[in-house]
Amino acid sequence: GESVGLHLPTLSVQEGDNSIINCAYSNSASDYFIWYKQESGKGPQFIIDIRSNMDKRQGQRVTVLLNKTVKHLSLQIAATQPGDSAVYFCAENRVNYGQNFVFGPGTRLSVLP
Amino acid sequence: KAGVTQTPRYLIKTRGQQVTLSCSPISGHRSVSWYQQTPGQGLQFLFEYFSETQRNKGNFPGRFSGRQFSNSRSEMNVSTLELGDSALYLCASSLALKGTPASLEAFFGQGTRLTVV
Repeated sequence: GESVGLHLPTLSVQEGDNSIINCAYSNSASDYFIWYKQESGKGPQFIIDIRSNMDKRQGQRVTVLLNKTVKHLSLQIAATQPGDSAVYFCAENRVNYGQNFVFGPGTRLSVLP
Repeated sequence: KAGVTQTPRYLIKTRGQQVTLSCSPISGHRSVSWYQQTPGQGLQFLFEYFSETQRNKGNFPGRFSGRQFSNSRSEMNVSTLELGDSALYLCASSLALKGTPASLEAFFGQGTRLTVV
């Protein structure tokens, strides 16, 4: 499959443990954020989103936290599974500006058996 | 429903040539965005088309252009190819209604891998 990134930061976790992936975003005017997962050979896949008027949002096994003061996002994955191994990207946008996402550099998550 | 379809999946071109990539969005989606993905620069926004009009544009040279047809299908063109244009080009479709954050969720295709030699 295609190489997503040769020099990405990597997070290795044991299967069943919780994972926390961090992201610093760049624009204080951004008001909408998405986490994407990209597996080898595939396009990014939506995981969860959050608006700037929230500081936490939960999905199935995933939680996104937003700290606007320090422009920081995190993605928490509970009970990490082998199928979670992928590259994770945060992306920021401004709601009234159409589709114009700025993506973070990505983090490679490796789940150890 | 069918997802985002990009053609071709793989392409090899020679420096100086031009190339056209195609994207068919999800039915009902009027926004199509294009992104370039490279190991060095990551995912970078090229441009967005909405209802046949370019609505947003990233910081790429004029050699990169696009268009959208009345059926929302989009094409991206790169002229005078350079070695550095080798990348995975991703297309994303969404409803992208301004002021409606949930509609910004972008559905990506599998991409076109362009290699310039």
